[in-house]
Amino acid sequence: GAVVSQHPSRVICKSGTSVKIECRSLDFQATTMFWYRQFPKQSLMLMATSNEGSKATYEQGVEKDKFLINHASLTLSTLTVTSAHPEDSSFYICSVGSTGYNEQFFGPGTRLTVL
Amino acid sequence: AQSVSQHNHHVILSEAASLELGCNYSYGGTVNLFWYVQYPGQHLQLLLKYFSGDPLVKGIKGFEAEFIKSKFSFNLRKPSVQWSDTAEYFCAVILNRDDKIIFGKGTRLHILP
Repeated sequence: GAVVSQHPSRVICKSGTSVKIECRSLDFQATTMFWYRQFPKQSLMLMATSNEGSKATYEQGVEKDKFLINHASLTLSTLTVTSAHPEDSSFYICSVGSTGYNEQFFGPGTRLTVL
Repeated sequence: AQSVSQHNHHVILSEAASLELGCNYSYGGTVNLFWYVQYPGQHLQLLLKYFSGDPLVKGIKGFEAEFIKSKFSFNLRKPSVQWSDTAEYFCAVILNRDDKIIFGKGTRLHILP
């Protein structure tokens, strides 16, 4: 399967600041990237789906102005949490896929803590 | 709406016991099925997957799962668990009509040494 990395693995920030999380597909042309959020002891919740070169599609209830997603290339997608608040503290996980591949490969996740 | 149900939220077993974790999905079309494991403090790892063919799928670390189409089920099994199997297990489905993966809520497995 594909190797997916995320950077940073952990980040602590102050309330009101913005945080950028990178997701890289190291050996796979990811036409589609997905961003998930995982609360403690809960399952993954899909936040948005992004296709390379187009705007992301957000799931219901996810604020697109708060969680900015950019998928500029087949190997990189970024998630920016703008004006972060303590309730945004969570584990953010990206995955990559490709058209017709019917499988996703997951990154190691980024733990965000907002003070 | 399509969903994935994992019946057991928390399972506690002793080492060497046999394991079966239930997973059912609600979708009448073609699906691809997955089981993922998340060890404490670590990221998701794929245990096994089913796309087509033999409905009994063998994965890593001695796990297997059986796809029963008539029951919309994909239960995970292991004949003899180890303490190191303590983790959270997620069943997931990709509907062939799109690329979204739908996760179950997870089963927390705790193995007593």
